[in-house]
Amino acid sequence: QQQVKQSPQSLIVQKGGISIINCAYENTAFDYFPWYQQFPGKGPALLIAIRPDVSEKKEGRFTISFNKSAKQFSLHIMDSQPGDSATYFCAAIEYGNKLVFGAGTILRVKS
Amino acid sequence: DVKVTQSSRYLVKRTGEKVFLECVQDMDHENMFWYRQDPGLGLRLIYFSYDVKMKEKGDIPEGYSVSREKKERFSLILESASTNQTSMYLCASSGTGGSIWGTDTQYFGPGTRLTVL
Repeated sequence: QQQVKQSPQSLIVQKGGISIINCAYENTAFDYFPWYQQFPGKGPALLIAIRPDVSEKKEGRFTISFNKSAKQFSLHIMDSQPGDSATYFCAAIEYGNKLVFGAGTILRVKS
Repeated sequence: DVKVTQSSRYLVKRTGEKVFLECVQDMDHENMFWYRQDPGLGLRLIYFSYDVKMKEKGDIPEGYSVSREKKERFSLILESASTNQTSMYLCASSGTGGSIWGTDTQYFGPGTRLTVL
């Protein structure tokens, strides 16, 4: 059973649109939430990360929104570009315990 | 830039063969990891190591073993490959910011796609 549930499994967005990927968790001891981006033929790479004491973190066109009470967090990609087409993984870690990954979302941005 | 390299991008083996997957990192990282990636299941941890000759089981260690004789190298071994081990295998490493399971970024290699026939 996945400790972090990620949705949707795949997503198609028009160029310039907003891509939204959602994740939910049950373990309230999780205290760090990274997102990884994986291009075809490459390994995952850290994209952006957030701690639960922050409700939002923005880096360029990428924003993480965090809702601690709902135990949910999401990645928003503003002005999505074809170069953003990749697989995105949310993840969570409890300090001293293992990093757990969501199932992944395959994003395709149509030009 | 951190570089994690894996010995093969694609590998085809037969059932029952012994398979070695090699991983090398060049950043003097203490911690190294082996994951397998399957569609719909994300990344699942097989084994990890926080020091030379040290190893710990992850979530799915059955059918696998590992070896870490040098700090920069971490090998995954499939003692007797089976078809259900057909998968993408990812190696990662991370630095020494405290606990192996802290906020240190894990840096991944490009992966080895293993097919067992």
